[in-house]
Amino acid sequence: AQSVTQPDIHITVSEGASLELRCNYSYGATPYLFWYVQSPGQGLQLLLKYFSGDTLVQGIKGFEAEFKRSQSSFNLRKPSVHWSDAAEYFCAVGAGTYKYIFGTGTRLKVLA
Amino acid sequence: DVKVTQSSRYLVKRTGEKVFLECVQDMDHENMFWYRQDPGLGLRLIYFSYDVKMKEKGDIPEGYSVSREKKERFSLILESASTNQTSMYLCASSATDDGYTFGSGTRLTVV
Repeated sequence: AQSVTQPDIHITVSEGASLELRCNYSYGATPYLFWYVQSPGQGLQLLLKYFSGDTLVQGIKGFEAEFKRSQSSFNLRKPSVHWSDAAEYFCAVGAGTYKYIFGTGTRLKVLA
Repeated sequence: DVKVTQSSRYLVKRTGEKVFLECVQDMDHENMFWYRQDPGLGLRLIYFSYDVKMKEKGDIPEGYSVSREKKERFSLILESASTNQTSMYLCASSATDDGYTFGSGTRLTVV
């Protein structure tokens, strides 16, 4: 069965520190992979997506993610976190017929 | 930019009421989706639609129905609201597998 796992429910980092949010998936074919961010009380905004090609993808707000087929992972990274990055982050995998499966989210807290 | 508009940000309804949540998108997207979001459970798909008058059940359709009479509008209906339907409801639209555009969400409280 297709699934997405975000092993970290909460992560706290200091402003200026690097960030890596983990995402593992289970999917039968080459997946479509996405990262979304949700600010409090808001909908989800697309950060970046991977369909094929270069396994390192760049997104908005300085984020990037790397697709590693051998590890079934699509981890999100940022070299230097800003206080405005505090939000909840969701990984999603394309489940065919345009339906996506979402992880349960990782809430990021940024310390000043 | 694609815009997905949900008619209400906050809604309070009584148990047993029929509740309508409206969603409108302005970019002629074929696909529209309704999710509910609960702490610790992530997003769960309720219903989706690939075309006008077409609908398919998602993972948790019980207690819900939908309507898509026009391409730009996708309505979620709670036939008889119950307290366990208190949640954040998110509408999204997409064209092919290009990622979803989400609305701002409707936080529904059933009392």
